[in-house]
Amino acid sequence: NAGVTQTPKFRVLKTGQSMTLLCAQDMNHEYMYWYRQDPGMGLRLIHYSVGEGTTAKGEVPDGYNVSRLKKQNFLLGLESAAPSQTSVYFCASRALRTSEGGELFFGEGSRLTVL
Amino acid sequence: EDQVTQSPEALRLQEGESSSLNCSYTVSGLRGLFWYRQDPGKGPEFLFTLYSAGEEKEKERLKATLTKKESFLHITAPKPEDSATYLCAVSGYALNFGKGTSLLVTP
Repeated sequence: NAGVTQTPKFRVLKTGQSMTLLCAQDMNHEYMYWYRQDPGMGLRLIHYSVGEGTTAKGEVPDGYNVSRLKKQNFLLGLESAAPSQTSVYFCASRALRTSEGGELFFGEGSRLTVL
Repeated sequence: EDQVTQSPEALRLQEGESSSLNCSYTVSGLRGLFWYRQDPGKGPEFLFTLYSAGEEKEKERLKATLTKKESFLHITAPKPEDSATYLCAVSGYALNFGKGTSLLVTP
């Protein structure tokens, strides 16, 4: 029972390089989210999706892009990585809108370092 | 704007020493208050959801309660395996998280 799977788990980039983080969920959830977690800052929402083909900005969207071409996958892209994007990234999914209740299921995280 | 403040930032307890973690929130219309546990190097793991003032939920040594302005996570007779960061969140279009309380339980 995989739940939410993130790849890669670790990555080191140089400033200006691009990369994509992949999130896959096998629970048939409509809603998917990307958060970043930094020391002293807590979890902050980057982008989210309420269904296949839809995306929306969260609290800290600058420097990131996302795509949800398939219901089970949510991709987070960094076009030109910056040291400020060094962080741990978490993907999450849920079946219901948060306003309707229901918890988020999280992946194990992807640790990104930008030199 | 929704706000979630957790206290204390860190807490150290002896095994068996009960205590409480606090989560104060400001939200326009609460649609759920969530508690998560996060172990080092892992993603947050769901513990409880509370929806209305007066509601309580229990799981093993943990008990979560909710008032109109805050929630408490009571830990009764904790064990070292309860050591983790505990996160509180309120429901909006996503979950809005507090910064967490890092709990260390020593033998």
